[in-house]
Amino acid sequence: DAGVTQSPTHLIKTRGQQVTLRCSPKSGHDTVSWYQQALGQGPQFIFQYYEEEERQRGNFPDRFSGHQFPNYSSELNVNALLLGDSALYLCASSLGTGQETQYFGPGTRLLVL
Amino acid sequence: DQQVKQNSPSLSVQEGRISILNCDYTNSMFDYFLWYKKYPAEGPTFLISISSIKDKNEDGRFTVFLNKSAKHLSLHIVPSQPGDSAVYFCAASAQSNYQLIWGAGTKLIIKP
Repeated sequence: DAGVTQSPTHLIKTRGQQVTLRCSPKSGHDTVSWYQQALGQGPQFIFQYYEEEERQRGNFPDRFSGHQFPNYSSELNVNALLLGDSALYLCASSLGTGQETQYFGPGTRLLVL
Repeated sequence: DQQVKQNSPSLSVQEGRISILNCDYTNSMFDYFLWYKKYPAEGPTFLISISSIKDKNEDGRFTVFLNKSAKHLSLHIVPSQPGDSAVYFCAASAQSNYQLIWGAGTKLIIKP
């Protein structure tokens, strides 16, 4: 049973560029959440997708956008990259029925130069 | 405004002894709490959770205690093993809200 997978594992971009990160949820899960984790901090919620719609959003600017596909996989897009966007980006999947436990992928480490 | 706080950045415990990790929260709407373990270069791994209708939940060597009046929860690991060395995160959510709110983590070091 495959767990949550994310690609790529590492990425280096320069300021102003755009990036797309990808996530495949755990088998049987229909909900994907994205988090940003800066060094030495806990993950910060970006948004959650359920039934191909953004169900909830955290305190992140519109430069952060996402998409969920019919097979429940998801993408996170960040436009106009800033140095401060350098972080570990985590994807978590869960069942969309309520307060279900979220299971995490290994993350994508993004470095913005 | 940190709604979930883990005030100990690190904790060192002898192998075989009990490890106690603490977490405090401020939002009284939180009703579901989780502990995750994270190794370097990996995503967080779910350990154990507790709903606000309970005050204790046990799973093998791991027990989580919830004190709602004090807005405090703790994770007990007994006995501690070398493989338990990792960063432990406490997270919370409210029924009306899908996002998890996380503490900053506590690095647990198990000494041989």
